[in-house]
Amino acid sequence: QKEVEQDPGPLSVPEGAIVSLNCTYSNSAFQYFMWYRQYSRKGPELLMYTYSSGNKEDGRFTAQVDKSSKYISLFIRDSQPSDSATYLCAMSQSGTSYGKLTFGQGTILTVHP
Amino acid sequence: DTGVSQDPRHKITKRGQNVTFRCDPISEHNRLYWYRQTLGQGPEFLTYFQNEAQLEKSRLLSDRFSAERPKGSFSTLEIQRTEQGDSAMYLCASSFVQQSPYGYTFGSGTRLTVV
Repeated sequence: QKEVEQDPGPLSVPEGAIVSLNCTYSNSAFQYFMWYRQYSRKGPELLMYTYSSGNKEDGRFTAQVDKSSKYISLFIRDSQPSDSATYLCAMSQSGTSYGKLTFGQGTILTVHP
Repeated sequence: DTGVSQDPRHKITKRGQNVTFRCDPISEHNRLYWYRQTLGQGPEFLTYFQNEAQLEKSRLLSDRFSAERPKGSFSTLEIQRTEQGDSAMYLCASSFVQQSPYGYTFGSGTRLTVV
């Protein structure tokens, strides 16, 4: 079983829809939680990050972490065609493994006009 | 400095050949990471450096793989005796240690195809 599980989709939504992306994890040592966006033939770029449990909002994006359920989510409001990409959740521990990321397999999102 | 630079962007090689990739990080970043990403999967950690010291290696990094970061600047990843299973995107990232894990900047990767 992988440490981080992510529904690969693909997910296809109309422009303006609310998108929900989710990951579950098994390693309770994960403390840092991130969402990356990856366009085709490009490296991942950091979208959102949170530390421990809670919510964080940035414009149309909201990241949620529920450590008790080992579950993280990314919500995208008013989705745009330019949001079409692969979304990757990533996590890191503290201590000696600080900085080393464990990724989910990615969810392919298409937002059609 | 426009970001993390990787060279080449795409490499096609015959099975059994050796290949070497280069990564130039953002100049003031002291940490450098290598990840491997296969089709339909997220990146998997291979190794990382803090300055010139290689601090951790994944068990994915078999004896055929070696990475260096001389003088704490650019890094090279060499794969000896390539196998078809080595076909993947090899991603490099850099950061300040104080900003990790949030301050990662990834390069666009080197896509390796072993035929």
